[in-house]
Amino acid sequence: GQQLNQSPQSMFIQEGEDVSMNCTSSSIFNTWLWYKQEPGEGPVLLIALYKAGELTSNGRLTAQFGITRKDSFLNISASIPSDVGIYFCAGQVSYNTDKLIFGTGTRLQVFP
Amino acid sequence: DVKVTQSSRYLVKRTGEKVFLECVQDMDHENMFWYRQDPGLGLRLIYFSYDVKMKEKGDIPEGYSVSREKKERFSLILESASTNQTSMYLCASRRSGIRYEQYFGPGTRLTVT
Repeated sequence: GQQLNQSPQSMFIQEGEDVSMNCTSSSIFNTWLWYKQEPGEGPVLLIALYKAGELTSNGRLTAQFGITRKDSFLNISASIPSDVGIYFCAGQVSYNTDKLIFGTGTRLQVFP
Repeated sequence: DVKVTQSSRYLVKRTGEKVFLECVQDMDHENMFWYRQDPGLGLRLIYFSYDVKMKEKGDIPEGYSVSREKKERFSLILESASTNQTSMYLCASRRSGIRYEQYFGPGTRLTVT
């Protein structure tokens, strides 16, 4: 199936640094979702976006729905060790389908 | 909080066995989904259901079937397990409507030997 382009693939950062990652698509999306998955666990929903240009925060996490509707960004400020995991974006192309298209994931490692 | 539970966290089965993976959600969600997750391939949709006794094929339904006899429960069935079905299986659910947030269970790591 189709996948979103997500970058970077992995990041190794020092505790306290800010993190940015993004997803891009050739298709216009109506919804963008951001998930975090820890080893051996299922993805946990972090942020949901529904309007172009929308900027939404969840604690130290901020995500934006790109103006073109073909991309989305996730920022994590002042990273801490428990931010470690894989971050996935997911998008919904059409209101007529329940299917989500998932990004390839960004693996985040935080060093103390 | 939405709670999606899966019957087993780890499962080891032999080739040819019939395997049942169970998923239960407690939020009265209409829609339920089964995915498999493999390194380098991401999450791939196997089947989904938008109502009791209703099912739709996802992107990779071959070798799988599903059952939804009750709203809260969605089962994935491997009729005759094969080694290429070794994977992490994730169940998700969401409420019908304009919000498309899917909530995932913890996953079942299935190994077929």
